[in-house]
Amino acid sequence: DAKTTQPTSMDCAEGRAANLPCNHSTISGNEYVYWYRQIHSQGPQYIIHGLKNNETNEMASLIITEDRKSSTLILPHATLRDTAVYYCIVPRGTYKYIFGTGTRLKVLA
Amino acid sequence: GAVVSQHPSWVICKSGTSVKIECRSLDFQATTMFWYRQFPKQSLMLMATSNEGSKATYEQGVEKDKFLINHASLTLSTLTVTSAHPEDSSFYICSARRPSGIYEQYFGPGTRLTVT
Repeated sequence: DAKTTQPTSMDCAEGRAANLPCNHSTISGNEYVYWYRQIHSQGPQYIIHGLKNNETNEMASLIITEDRKSSTLILPHATLRDTAVYYCIVPRGTYKYIFGTGTRLKVLA
Repeated sequence: GAVVSQHPSWVICKSGTSVKIECRSLDFQATTMFWYRQFPKQSLMLMATSNEGSKATYEQGVEKDKFLINHASLTLSTLTVTSAHPEDSSFYICSARRPSGIYEQYFGPGTRLTVT
């Protein structure tokens, strides 16, 4: 099972890019990286996922290193509504999610 | 698309009673649903995996006789907390997985249970 490691907390100024790193050094070749976020007292929200290539959608970009041992979620222009806990997950083979502690992102006005 | 609802959103019950929480996938059929529990300031903890038409698979340390899970249809899974105690007070969250999706799960808004 690929364990993930993320910084406990980060601050970001409103309007600036928020770069959230995740280490998944034990990831296997066919395992995906998923990112979710949880705003206080709500269920997690899907953001993006990737396997090898960098990915972009309307919410964020995902940069995966060539060796796939780490990735970075980029919120290009953070707003106050992006304040949340961000989770990087590498699902187990049976589709289970094991949530780590995540990164608490605080966007500052 | 990919909307998951939970009912109720919050519930208060007395110690010793049972509480049922519903999880519905509103716009897709979910062959697999998951139940999580989250205590204040902690991360989500997977409790069990629920497959339509079969028995749920519980994670280590989760009492299957206390947390009854039923997945009777492709759009509905229920979690019943039996003989609830104050230590069962928590935020319960379900998620559903699309059969055609790879690994993504879509989460419900959660149910806050308070046992008095």
